[in-house]
Amino acid sequence: EDQVTQSPEALRLQEGESSSLNCSYTVSGLRGLFWYRQDPGKGPEFLFTLYSAGEEKEKERLKATLTKKESFLHITAPKPEDSATYLCAVSTRYKLSFGAGTTVTVRA
Amino acid sequence: DAGVTQSPTHLIKTRGQQVTLRCSPKSGHDTVSWYQQALGQGPQFIFQYYEEEERQRGNFPDRFSGHQFPNYSSELNVNALLLGDSALYLCASSLDGGAGDTQYFGPGTRLTVL
Repeated sequence: EDQVTQSPEALRLQEGESSSLNCSYTVSGLRGLFWYRQDPGKGPEFLFTLYSAGEEKEKERLKATLTKKESFLHITAPKPEDSATYLCAVSTRYKLSFGAGTTVTVRA
Repeated sequence: DAGVTQSPTHLIKTRGQQVTLRCSPKSGHDTVSWYQQALGQGPQFIFQYYEEEERQRGNFPDRFSGHQFPNYSSELNVNALLLGDSALYLCASSLDGGAGDTQYFGPGTRLTVL
């Protein structure tokens, strides 16, 4: 059974205070690792796809990295609009298996 | 470019009733997946449709069924509703190229079962 664990559950940051979110996974036959952002009551918004260990992707203040056992989402100099729940998911066959998410709150 | 659309936005049903949720995929996509998201949890995979067939199914009872139409749109049907079926139901679409394709999500349908 695929397992995805995200930590911490919640993160409170001051504007400009950089931090990292962790996603550790146990799967058989990883086809891809995905990061999504979700605002309250909305559907997940796609951020990144990573396919192999050592791969990195960047978008504005976000950077995602992947190793054989875990992925990190780095938030550099966050702004209040970065407040959201960040979800990590792994793909084995066709389905996505999600972690419970990390809720990030950025205070001005 | 239209993204994934879902209808209705919200729905209130009573126990034992049946419900149908609808999804139109992103333009150019041919694969639709359905997920259930309970409050405070990550989405849980229900099933995926490709070429009008159910290709993979998660750990959900037979009360959950679906359909994909020739235009790639999809329906999720839930029979004999239980209180525990209250959740945000998410549809995601992708362009089939094999496992590992990026899935793009719609805004969801909030189902409340009383």
